[in-house]
Amino acid sequence: DTGVSQDPRHKITKRGQNVTFRCDPISEHNRLYWYRQTLGQGPEFLTYFQNEAQLEKSRLLSDRFSAERPKGSFSTLEIQRTEQGDSAMYLCASSRQGAQFGNTIYFGEGSWLTVV
Amino acid sequence: AQKITQTQPGMFVQEKEAVTLDCTYDTSDQSYGLFWYKQPSSGEMIFLIYQGSYDEQNATEGRYSLNFQKARKSANLVISASQLGDSAMYFCAINPRIQGAQKLVFGQGTRLTINP
Repeated sequence: DTGVSQDPRHKITKRGQNVTFRCDPISEHNRLYWYRQTLGQGPEFLTYFQNEAQLEKSRLLSDRFSAERPKGSFSTLEIQRTEQGDSAMYLCASSRQGAQFGNTIYFGEGSWLTVV
Repeated sequence: AQKITQTQPGMFVQEKEAVTLDCTYDTSDQSYGLFWYKQPSSGEMIFLIYQGSYDEQNATEGRYSLNFQKARKSANLVISASQLGDSAMYFCAINPRIQGAQKLVFGQGTRLTINP
């Protein structure tokens, strides 16, 4: 099994620019999650997909943030008009629905965003 | 709302010694899951161990065990025979659902350093 893959791993952008991150979950995992982690903190939940449907969104996900999972496979997280406060690591995770698959979600290595 | 408290910002341990990382949680839910993740400097969150609130026995995974004390709302991680490769950030997390989407709430983490 290949793990959760995220791209790019690092992104430096100027304030006001748009950025997009991609996540490829573990194959056969129908659930996909985005978390954000700022320096010195634990990850915070942003949003969750089951197949292609976005079922939950955190209040942390402002209108400048949009996430998609058009075919129920890979997902993208776009941040429009970036602000310095968006600087963080964006973690993607996936899991497979069903009690027989346990309760574990598997994280990728994250995409670091620095807004200058 | 759920909350995780990790009171040890940093821990220093000699190689081969056992180490206990503290975690207390606050939830009003009757069913919940508790997780421990390891985060090396590469950024990936690596799943270590899971404990369900209804599990009567403490979870174990190799050198990792979870000391679950439900009445005290405590879920400490014990690492036996520590190794240099155990040096990393460790996060405790809670999910208010035993099944379904894994919308985890993380603590602030403990940085573990293993000295040779």
